Amino acid sequence: GQNIDQPTEMTATEGAIVQINCTYQTSGFNGLFWYQQHAGEAPTFLSYNVLDGLEEKGRFSSFLSRSKGYSYLLLKELQMKDSASYLCAVRALTWGKLQFGAGTQVVVTP
Amino acid sequence: DTEVTQTPKHLVMGMTNKKSLKCEQHMGHRAMYWYKQKAKKPPELMFVYSYEKLSINESVPSRFSPECPNSSLLNLHLHALQPEDSALYLCASSQGRLLAGIHETQYFGPGTRLLVL
Repeated sequence: GQNIDQPTEMTATEGAIVQINCTYQTSGFNGLFWYQQHAGEAPTFLSYNVLDGLEEKGRFSSFLSRSKGYSYLLLKELQMKDSASYLCAVRALTWGKLQFGAGTQVVVTP
Repeated sequence: DTEVTQTPKHLVMGMTNKKSLKCEQHMGHRAMYWYKQKAKKPPELMFVYSYEKLSINESVPSRFSPECPNSSLLNLHLHALQPEDSALYLCASSQGRLLAGIHETQYFGPGTRLLVL
């Protein structure tokens, strides 16, 4: 089975940086995804890590340590539109299976 | 273009009704997925189709019946649902390559919000 943990909610001010941590315990691992989901909308793909290290994509970066079962998503220069739920998802060895964490609600304040 | 479309956007049905949810993608993806998402919870995988064949059924009750008529379309037939089945139903698609990598990113449709009375 798989267990994926991330904080329930984080609050930060516009222009600041927020780091969302995700820890996982899985029977197999074949990649970790981060998705953004605004209320009532579909999840949208943000980033993918399968090897250890940092992947940078504009204002968003994602880090993975497979030995520690740990990832984080870093959001820089926060904007009001970044207020959303951020989902950490692990792909198991079984093809096609993506297991999601409960999501972290990020609230950006003026 | 990473668009997955779903119809209808909203659906209200009684427990004796039969209805269908539809999903379409024109990205040439060969894998398609149904997820169920309750409020403030993560998406839960229901079914996976690979090359129009059902490859994963996550022990979903038979009142949910998936169908993949062709590589672009995915349906979810609903019959005799219960109020606890009310949720957001998400469709997703991915390339369908066996050697999973970044190309196996799943792209989600906007979902159908279902209310069962």
